[in-house]
Amino acid sequence: AQRVTQPEKLLSVFKGAPVELKCNYSYSGSPELFWYVQYSRQRLQLLLRHISRESIKGFTADLNKGETSFHLKKPFAQEEDSAMYYCALSNAGGTSYGKLTFGQGTILTVHP
Amino acid sequence: DTAVSQTPKYLVTQMGNDKSIKCEQNLGHDTMYWYKQDSKKFLKIMFSYNNKELIINETVPNRFSPKSPDKAHLNLHINSLELGDSAVYFCASRGTKYNEQFFGPGTRLTVL
Repeated sequence: AQRVTQPEKLLSVFKGAPVELKCNYSYSGSPELFWYVQYSRQRLQLLLRHISRESIKGFTADLNKGETSFHLKKPFAQEEDSAMYYCALSNAGGTSYGKLTFGQGTILTVHP
Repeated sequence: DTAVSQTPKYLVTQMGNDKSIKCEQNLGHDTMYWYKQDSKKFLKIMFSYNNKELIINETVPNRFSPKSPDKAHLNLHINSLELGDSAVYFCASRGTKYNEQFFGPGTRLTVL
């Protein structure tokens, strides 16, 4: 079974401070991991995918298979980063056809 | 040029009624999904269709019946609505390059 855990429901930082949103997963196969962001009352948008190792809006995330983690980081938070962040795991093939299993979400608030 | 669209955006109805939510994607994807986001913002998959065929049914009550008339559309019909069905329902479709999913704007269902 696949499972995603985001231990922090709420995270508050001040503008310009570093931010790290934690994500741990359990999965018996080779996972595909994503971070999605949901701004207030909007649709979910893909922020990052581990496979492409990119930086979007200053955010990065590294897959650590030893620690089964995929933490999201940004060195200097901005007020516009305030949103709900979801870590998600996908089973690309097999019988699950890429269904996403989401963590519980972390609400990030960046104060001025 | 909206990629994934849903109608209606808001739906307020009485307990016991039957209602439908429609989803359309113009991305040419083969796989589509319905997710439910509850009042605690927890996201959970409900159904998935691949090329009009049901492939995931995550122990959803049989009052919920998805229908895919073609691979660009996935509708959700709900019979005998209950208070607990109040939630935001998101439709999504899956790309083939990186297995990422693209989400619709959501339908906020309120059952009174």
